[in-house]
Amino acid sequence: DQQVKQNSPSLSVQEGRISILNCDYTNSMFDYFLWYKKYPAEGPTFLISISSIKDKNEDGRFTVFLNKSAKHLSLHIVPSQPGDSAVYFCAASALRNAGNMLTFGGGTRLMVKP
Amino acid sequence: KAGVTQTPRYLIKTRGQQVTLSCSPISGHRSVSWYQQTPGQGLQFLFEYFSETQRNKGNFPGRFSGRQFSNSRSEMNVSTLELGDSALYLCASSFTGTKQETQYFGPGTRLLVL
Repeated sequence: DQQVKQNSPSLSVQEGRISILNCDYTNSMFDYFLWYKKYPAEGPTFLISISSIKDKNEDGRFTVFLNKSAKHLSLHIVPSQPGDSAVYFCAASALRNAGNMLTFGGGTRLMVKP
Repeated sequence: KAGVTQTPRYLIKTRGQQVTLSCSPISGHRSVSWYQQTPGQGLQFLFEYFSETQRNKGNFPGRFSGRQFSNSRSEMNVSTLELGDSALYLCASSFTGTKQETQYFGPGTRLLVL
């Protein structure tokens, strides 16, 4: 049973436009959410996170939105750049876990065309 | 500051063999987590170590084990390898492994089981 799902395996966007990556979760115990970016042959790199007490967090071109009632989060990248082309993973962790234990979605491959 | 390092980067083994993978966390980091990435199952949490103790464990069989040394370096071992163990094994480190700390990932060890 996949507790974190990214239903779009890929997304293609024109440079300068907005990229919107979506993520759904089922476990109501999740209270902290993260987005990671992964290039081939590298480990995932942390991008941005959000706690369940917030509904929005911004960091430069990256904004994460959280809709707790819908159990849905999204990552907005504005403006998109060719260097943003990578696989994006959303991840979640639960209240009850001491320490680090992330549950990841399956990833969305973003392609930003020049 | 040096990042998370993993050795070896690539490994080929045959079914039934065992393998040991190594992870050196960022200096000062005491929490080390291990993840398995496969095309079918995505990124899945294996276990987390903090101060030489396993603090969290994912849903993997007992063939997967790990340990952490006093200098925070960690090893994971897979015994009696199966074809399905072919994967990218990632380790991640953070200072204390509390939930809202950023985890930094290494480049991974790609294991192929023939």
